[in-house]
Amino acid sequence: DSGVTQTPKHLITATGQRVTLRCSPRSGDLSVYWYQQSLDQGLQFLIQYYNGEERAKGNILERFSAQQFPDLHSELNLSSLELGDSALYFCASSVGSSGGRGETQYFGPGTRLLVL
Amino acid sequence: GQQLNQSPQSMFIQEGEDVSMNCTSSSIFNTWLWYKQDPGEGPVLLIALYKAGELTSNGRLTAQFGITRKDSFLNISASIPSDVGIYFCAGQLDKLSFGAGTTVTVRA
Repeated sequence: DSGVTQTPKHLITATGQRVTLRCSPRSGDLSVYWYQQSLDQGLQFLIQYYNGEERAKGNILERFSAQQFPDLHSELNLSSLELGDSALYFCASSVGSSGGRGETQYFGPGTRLLVL
Repeated sequence: GQQLNQSPQSMFIQEGEDVSMNCTSSSIFNTWLWYKQDPGEGPVLLIALYKAGELTSNGRLTAQFGITRKDSFLNISASIPSDVGIYFCAGQLDKLSFGAGTTVTVRA
């Protein structure tokens, strides 16, 4: 158990809908990262938040957004869903200090999203 | 982003055998990480390497951070059935970049 929790574990929805995925980081971690994993794309970095502020952006679509709340949990919002958005979405957390051990990421169990 | 080449893509091994996989990159990294992912689960951190040349063990696992900072290998000794899974290397500079994974299947 990495200490990172994600809900829900599974999500089935229809095209055009909007969903929210939730992540709670390990106790003491300030950074939260979101990743998308699909069969053909592997693990793709989406976005990072550090202590409530956006720190880095990866291959995140404009239809997707995220935020980190004062209690450090994070939510990933996916809107206008398309069939191709079906994937595993992982959250990871790290202490967040610069470099080395402080940025080692620990992953949650993921949310499996299926868009029909 | 940085491109990581992980090999082999897949392997079938006999229980008790040693196995080796590696990652190379055209870019240098400050950290190399190795994760294992079981079906339907999140990647689990196996070994973290923070210094060029560092050799680290975790039970039957051994990994090294290449001296050029552009490569790393992972060895599994005396493989057992629960070693089945997908192993990912990841290199970190400003962000974490993942290899495509090595799928390990053990023949009992």
